[in-house]
Amino acid sequence: KAGVTQTPRYLIKTRGQQVTLSCSPISGHRSVSWYQQTPGQGLQFLFEYFSETQRNKGNFPGRFSGRQFSNSRSEMNVSTLELGDSALYLCASSYQGGGQPQHFGDGTRLSIL
Amino acid sequence: AQSVTQLDSQVPVFEEAPVELRCNYSSSVSVYLFWYVQYPNQGLQLLLKYLSGSTLVKGINGFEAEFNKSQTSFHLRKPSVHISDTAEYFCAVSDQTSYDKVIFGPGTSLSVIP
Repeated sequence: KAGVTQTPRYLIKTRGQQVTLSCSPISGHRSVSWYQQTPGQGLQFLFEYFSETQRNKGNFPGRFSGRQFSNSRSEMNVSTLELGDSALYLCASSYQGGGQPQHFGDGTRLSIL
Repeated sequence: AQSVTQLDSQVPVFEEAPVELRCNYSSSVSVYLFWYVQYPNQGLQLLLKYLSGSTLVKGINGFEAEFNKSQTSFHLRKPSVHISDTAEYFCAVSDQTSYDKVIFGPGTSLSVIP
């Protein structure tokens, strides 16, 4: 069974640009969560999608958005990039979310110049 | 609202020595508890989980954890560590009664010294 796939693995952008990150969950998993990981703030929850609907949301500005497609693949978008958006963005999937163990991808390392 | 505390940000330990990584949580409802491990440049990998039943949970790579409801703790232990156990360890909690988000602790960096 293929694991969670995140693309691209590395990305370099400049301030003010926008970026789209992609996540393909494990086959059959309907819940996809996104996290931002930085040395200073640790692992912070961005949002969770379940059956194409945003079910949970963290405390991030509206510049961070996401969506989920009918095949459960998910994308997150960050507009008007700031230096502080430099981070490892992790995607995790599970069958239904909530108390079920999550399976993580290896992340996308986003660097803002 | 739930929260997770990992009291030790860094834990150095000699190879083949035992280790305990501490985790305490706060919640007003019954919870599921998890430990994840993160190796450099990788995502998180599930070590073990407590959903219900026996309070002593065994996981992969020789790790185990004990759920203590009265002390709201879920400490991770390994009787003898190996160099390859050097990694970041995260404790996480999830509400049993709803499909709420999973809350992660700040992490503990385990360094195994040869």
